[in-house]
Amino acid sequence: DTEVTQTPKHLVMGMTNKKSLKCEQHMGHRAMYWYKQKAKKPPELMFVYSYEKLSINESVPSRFSPECPNSSLLNLHLHALQPEDSALYLCASSQFGVSGQGLNQPQHFGDGTRLSIL
Amino acid sequence: GENVEQHPSTLSVQEGDSAVIKCTYSDSASNYFPWYKQELGKRPQLIIDIRSNVGEKKDQRIAVTLNKTAKHFSLHITETQPEDSAVYFCAASKPGGSYIPTFGRGTSLIVHP
Repeated sequence: DTEVTQTPKHLVMGMTNKKSLKCEQHMGHRAMYWYKQKAKKPPELMFVYSYEKLSINESVPSRFSPECPNSSLLNLHLHALQPEDSALYLCASSQFGVSGQGLNQPQHFGDGTRLSIL
Repeated sequence: GENVEQHPSTLSVQEGDSAVIKCTYSDSASNYFPWYKQELGKRPQLIIDIRSNVGEKKDQRIAVTLNKTAKHFSLHITETQPEDSAVYFCAASKPGGSYIPTFGRGTSLIVHP
C-alpha cells in the first residue's frame, strides 16, 4: 500500500486550464515535498513545506502555486502551463521538518500524477 | 552545494549475475545516503540506506558500502532477478539547515532472463 496518496493519477489539460494536484499522508510527517520528474531522470525538487510553512521554493515559475492546508495535505495549483511542463509530479514526505531536528530520514513518495499539457 | 555523480547510466546483466552501481559525492558533511528503486511508471521506493557511522549495510540480496574518505558509496545486488530491472537512484544529504537529498542521475538496470 502507498502511504502517500496522490490524485489524480493522470491529468490532461490545455494551456489555459486551471487544475490542482492533491497529496495526502497520515504518517505524521512534518516535511512535504513536490518534485517534477521527466522520464529516466532523477526527481527535480520544486517546493518544500516544513511544519505547514513553505521553506523552499526552487525558483519555480509562478504558474505553479503550492498550498499546505494542514499537516496531512499538500496541493499544487496549476495555471497556464506550457507543453514543457508535461511530466510526472511526485509528492513526498519525511518525518522531520527541515529545521535540522533529529537524524535525516528517508522520503516516502506517492505514485505521482502524470501530467500532459496539450 | 552537494554534487552526486552516479555510474553507470545503464547496466545490463544476466539473471543470477551481480550488479554494482557506484556514486560519489562532493560535500564531506553529507552523512545520509539512501538508494531508491523506481520501476517503470511507479514511484521511487527506498530499498536501502546507510549513515556515515557505518561502512556497510546488508539486506538479503542488497548491500551498500560507504567509503567516507574517498566520498563514494556503492549498491551491490547479488543473484539478480528480472524483477530487479528498474532505474536506481542514489542520494546524499547532510544534517542541519534543511534535509534535502541530492540525487544522482540514475542507473537503468536491465536483468535478462
